Amino acid sequence: SQKIEQNSEALNIQEGKTATLTCNYTNYSPAYLQWYRQDPGRGPVFLLLIRENEKEKRKERLKVTFDTTLKQSLFHITASQPADSATYLCALARNTGGFKTIFGAGTRLFVKA
Amino acid sequence: DADVTQTPRNRITKTGKRIMLECSQTKGHDRMYWYRQDPGLGLQLIYYSFDVKDINKGEISDGYSVSRQAQAKFSLSLESAIPNQTALYFCATDGFGGSEQYFGPGTRLTVT
Repeated sequence: SQKIEQNSEALNIQEGKTATLTCNYTNYSPAYLQWYRQDPGRGPVFLLLIRENEKEKRKERLKVTFDTTLKQSLFHITASQPADSATYLCALARNTGGFKTIFGAGTRLFVKA
Repeated sequence: DADVTQTPRNRITKTGKRIMLECSQTKGHDRMYWYRQDPGLGLQLIYYSFDVKDINKGEISDGYSVSRQAQAKFSLSLESAIPNQTALYFCATDGFGGSEQYFGPGTRLTVT
């Protein structure tokens, strides 16, 4: 079955630096890869979606890359701010059984002022 | 107003009790989902529904049941709650396969 691996250790960075989070997956390549932000006790909030035929997608300070050869996505937050502190979830969707999405456990990011 | 609402937000119940969690969405989507989240684990899919007449089991459906009362409403029931069902429960909806999912605020359920 498909597995998603995200670093379970928290990432601590200094304000203003670029945060880079990793999402690795096994088995099949997804048609879509998504990134969500989740604050403690709250529901995930969608950030970016990248398709299997895309290499990179940007939105303001966010950038996502997708390497189907390495089976990996990188999520970058440039000029990070303390308000970016949250857990970031990677999610994959493939057209089997109606296109269900599966989620990784997420990586916790702490941005220090 | 929020796109996806869940009630109750918090619930403490005893082992063996039946409990229902309710979800409503105003996105006009056909597809709805129930997930469970435990600390350190990803979102685990309990049940999903791609339209009012379509209900499917997810990866951890044992001990749970659902009802799709209308396009906008999807309820999750625990027929006889047990302590290891203590978790955070999320309802979500999306417009088509692979598209962004909209999540509710979650229900924190504690079974004693």
